[in-house]
Amino acid sequence: DTGVSQDPRHKITKRGQNVTFRCDPISEHNRLYWYRQTLGQGPEFLTYFQNEAQLEKSRLLSDRFSAERPKGSFSTLEIQRTEQGDSAMYLCASSLQAGTNNEQFFGPGTRLTVL
Amino acid sequence: AQSVTQLGSHVSVSEGALVLLRCNYSSSVPPYLFWYVQYPNQGLQLLLKYTSAATLVKGINGFEAEFKKSETSFHLTKPSAHMRDAAEYFCAVTPGTPGGYQKVTFGIGTKLQVIP
Repeated sequence: DTGVSQDPRHKITKRGQNVTFRCDPISEHNRLYWYRQTLGQGPEFLTYFQNEAQLEKSRLLSDRFSAERPKGSFSTLEIQRTEQGDSAMYLCASSLQAGTNNEQFFGPGTRLTVL
Repeated sequence: AQSVTQLGSHVSVSEGALVLLRCNYSSSVPPYLFWYVQYPNQGLQLLLKYTSAATLVKGINGFEAEFKKSETSFHLTKPSAHMRDAAEYFCAVTPGTPGGYQKVTFGIGTKLQVIP
């Protein structure tokens, strides 16, 4: 078990470009979460998957954002037409449905800088 | 609905001194509570968690926290600070429903500075 991994760790892009991030959860975890963390703030919930189904999306997730988890394993988060306000750390977490303590395991994050 | 308030966005302590990071929560159902630590440019690591068992919870690296329902608090303490404790600490709350949907609400974080 290598933990939750995210790729890339850093991404610099120009305003208006599209970017895609990948998250590989812990292999037996069926729940996967995306969070956004801006400077000086705690992580904010973006969206949540149980297996391949996207069960909740935050109002923070505008139409330019889309997340998928096609086979219930890895997930991708795409941001279209990036804006400078999208600059943040994007964190992925996973958990086990059968777990009794709601513990989520976090990846190292992808830091996005939009110029 | 749930929320977390962390009092003090920056805390400075001397090496060897007591660490006290404050967290108050609000939850419409009995909560589960967590403290996470984040080092620069890294993800979050779980320090400890309260899940309705013992109210005094011990975690890694010598940290502990006490759940006080009457005060809606879950303050994090460590008797003696080390330089390696310098990091940002986040308090978080989820509904205390085992196996249920696990939306986590985080506080804004407290940056701990340890002075030699």
